[in-house]
This record gives sequence, structure tokens and C-alpha cells, in this order.
Amino acid sequence: EVQLVESGGGLVQPGRSLRLSCAASGFTFDDYAMHWVRQAPGKGLEWVSGISWNSGSIGYADSVKGRFTISRDNAKNSLYLQMNSLRAEDTALYYCAKCVSGGSCYYFDYWGQGTLVTVSS
Amino acid sequence: SYVLTQPPSVSVAPGQTARITCGGNNIGSKSVHWYQQKPGQAPVLVVYDDSDRPSGIPERFSGSNSGNTATLTISRVEAGDEADYYCQVWDSSSDHHVVFGGGTKLTVL
Repeated sequence: EVQLVESGGGLVQPGRSLRLSCAASGFTFDDYAMHWVRQAPGKGLEWVSGISWNSGSIGYADSVKGRFTISRDNAKNSLYLQMNSLRAEDTALYYCAKCVSGGSCYYFDYWGQGTLVTVSS
Repeated sequence: SYVLTQPPSVSVAPGQTARITCGGNNIGSKSVHWYQQKPGQAPVLVVYDDSDRPSGIPERFSGSNSGNTATLTISRVEAGDEADYYCQVWDSSSDHHVVFGGGTKLTVL
């Protein structure tokens, strides 16, 4: 059974940093691209960032480019999102999502339950 | 960047057919995927590659895509289908590879 478990969310002040993690199990992690998608309270889904199976291809939404860094550790079956210079508008539930292929993502077949990030003073 | 447009809401009576549209420039040339999200839950893939269904998704869910509009059709709507629905494409022409529509709230009357 595929499982994606996010952690690392919490309440953080504007300008501070946070690192999210996603622990994957139930599939061969290093065969698949992985992405982060967020959802602000009461809003729709917003793509944040994605990384290919071997970390050779990485992309970011304009809203987080230069502030967030995605990475993965295939030996630990884990995906990460380092979030720096956080803003109030980064407040959201952050989902880890598994792609159906290793390079180009196309779509997501599994999602985690999300970890909540609240940026507030 | 590529933009997907969905109606904010669609309402349908139980047993009827719901159609949720997703508009985009020449979207018929892309593969469209649909997710269902119920309150407090993570999104679930219900249709991929325009019209294919993952295992476990009822045949009542179907999709089509042509021209500038993709459509998710839910036949014989049930109360349990009430949810938000999002369309999504992979846009290889830009850095913003993953694009979501704004979402449609399906209300079962």
C-alpha cells in the first residue's frame, strides 16, 4: 500500500524558515518524480515544486522561486521542502504527491494527508 | 503560463448527470486529469488522460476533451459525490509544468 506521510509543519513567524518532510513507503521511491502541492485555507490547489527521480530536473512556482528548495533522499525514501523567508501568503496545507513517472510528472496518483504551515506573528 | 478555467460551482439533483468543464487554450491537445476532494481529505484522482479511470473509481465518472474544453461527467449523481473537483494538465511548454484549474464545488441538491 502506497503511503505518503508529511511532517514538519507548524506555526512560524514571517521571515523565518521551516523544513517539510515526506516519508514514502509501499512503492519504489527512486522510480518516481515527487511534487509538493499546497492549498491555502478555503482555496484551491496550487502547485509548489517538483523533482524528478534522480533530482536531475527541478521546478518551482514563481511564488516560491528563490525562497523554497526541494530535495529528495532516495536512500531514505524521503522528499523535502526547505522553506525560507516565509510570508503570510505561504500559509497553507502542504501535500506531498507521487507522480506516475520518473521524469515528466503528467499527473499524481497518490497524495499524502498534508502538513499545515501557518505563517503569522 | 497556461491557464485552466472552471466554473466555481455546479448543482445537480441526485440521479441526474453533472458536467464540470475545464477551459484552456487548445486544451484538446493536452491530456487532462481530474481530482475529487472531499472536505478535510486529500485529493483523489478520478480520471486521467482525458477519460481513463483509476481502479476503484466508479464507471459513473467519465471524461472527454476536445477543442478548448475538457469535461468531467458524473452520471447518476449520489450524495457522496458532493466535493470539489479540480482539473489538471502537464504543461511542457513552460516552467510551470503542473497547472490546476481553480476548482468546482459540486453540490448535490
